[in-house]
Amino acid sequence: GQQLNQSPQSMFIQEGEDVSMNCTSSSIFNTWLWYKQDPGEGPVLLIALYKAGELTSNGRLTAQFGITRKDSFLNISASIPSDVGIYFCAGQGYTGNQFYFGTGTSLTVIP
Amino acid sequence: EPEVTQTPSHQVTQMGQEVILRCVPISNHLYFYWYRQILGQKVEFLVSFYNNEISEKSEIFDDQFSVERPDGSNFTLKIRSTKLEDSAMYFCASRERTGNQPQHFGDGTRLSIL
Repeated sequence: GQQLNQSPQSMFIQEGEDVSMNCTSSSIFNTWLWYKQDPGEGPVLLIALYKAGELTSNGRLTAQFGITRKDSFLNISASIPSDVGIYFCAGQGYTGNQFYFGTGTSLTVIP
Repeated sequence: EPEVTQTPSHQVTQMGQEVILRCVPISNHLYFYWYRQILGQKVEFLVSFYNNEISEKSEIFDDQFSVERPDGSNFTLKIRSTKLEDSAMYFCASRERTGNQPQHFGDGTRLSIL
C-alpha cells in the first residue's frame, strides 16, 4: 500500500511554543486529513484539505495541502497542555476511496 | 453533532472463537470503513463498503474477515477464527459521500485475544 512518512515521530515542547509537523507521500493525493488521537479513543478530525495549495485553519491549528500534492503540514500555535496526543495525517489518492495513514507524531506539552 | 458509535468498547475472546464488532455509522452517510490499529502503531485500512458491497479491501482483510450491513443502521465486522495477532483496536468510520468529504471515526473496540 501507499507509504506516508510523518515527521517528527515525537515532540516535547514547552507550553506556549508553536509546533510544526508534516507528512509526505510517494504518490499524489486528492485529499489530506489531519486527526488527533487521545489514548483509548478514536481519531478525531481536525482539518480536511481538498485542493492543492489550500491553507485551512481551525482555531490555533493551520494545515496546508502541498502544491506537489505529495505533502501536507500541520502547525499548532501557542500550544497548551490539552494539545497532548498523537497526530495522524491521512491521505486519499485519485483512485479508490480508502485513506492511508501516517505513522503519527506524538506531542507532549510541558506546562 | 452526529457520531459514529461502536460496541462493545472492549471485547475479550479466546483464540479460535468468532467475534463480531458492531458499528452504527452516521445516519446519512453512504461509505463505511473498518480500520485496525495495533497498540502503538499506525491506523491500517481493512475494508471499505458502499452500496451493500465491499468496494476495496487490504491484504489484511483475508478470508477470516467479513463485513455486513444487516439492516439500515448497523455495519458489522466479523472475524471467524480469531488469532492472537488479531488483538488490536478496531475503528469504524463513515463518510457522507466521496469527493470533498472527510471520514469520521468511532471510538473503537479494543479486541483482546487470549
